[in-house]
Amino acid sequence: KQEVTQIPAALSVPEGENLVLNCSFTDSAIYNLQWFRQDPGKGLTSLLLIQSSQREQTSGRLNASLDKSSGRSTLYIAASQPGDSATYLCASTNAGNMLTFGGGTRLMVKP
Amino acid sequence: DAGVIQSPRHEVTEMGQEVTLRCKPISGHDYLFWYRQTMMRGLELLIYFNNNVPIDDSGMPEDRFSAKMPNASFSTLKIQPSEPRDSAVYFCASSLSGKDGYTFGSGTRLTVV
Repeated sequence: KQEVTQIPAALSVPEGENLVLNCSFTDSAIYNLQWFRQDPGKGLTSLLLIQSSQREQTSGRLNASLDKSSGRSTLYIAASQPGDSATYLCASTNAGNMLTFGGGTRLMVKP
Repeated sequence: DAGVIQSPRHEVTEMGQEVTLRCKPISGHDYLFWYRQTMMRGLELLIYFNNNVPIDDSGMPEDRFSAKMPNASFSTLKIQPSEPRDSAVYFCASSLSGKDGYTFGSGTRLTVV
């Protein structure tokens, strides 16, 4: 059974810093890995999707990498802004097309 | 595309009452998932459908929970009778193939008093 872990659980940084969120998974036989953002009391917004054959995906200030062999993915946020404050969730898709979530990283960017 | 549509957005009900949550997936998506989110347990998969057929319902907490997908454009999650511990946010998600990522609805916040 796939297990997904996110470290750290919470992170507080000053505005302008570059930061990295980590995601690890136990079963490397994934179809893809997806990063989501969730604002308090809101739904999940998809940020980036990395297919198993890809190494990274970029969208604006966000860059997500995938290393299947080591069971790791990272989400890099450049020049963080207060508006980036949210919970970030990673999730893997495995056989059966089941999505398994990590516990999330709660990010606070201070002005 | 309007995305995945869930209704109602909020539901407050008394213990023992029946609750029905609704979901309309993105047109053409073959997979539909129901998740529950709580502070204590995070996001839990309850059940998922492929082409309207339930594939895995091992996450359904107990017999009080049931889900149906009568057609490709509609699914329901029913709780009968509801209990306070069912209070959570329930999300519906759909995917074209599972391998191309998932789109989530805005969720239904259920409070059972």
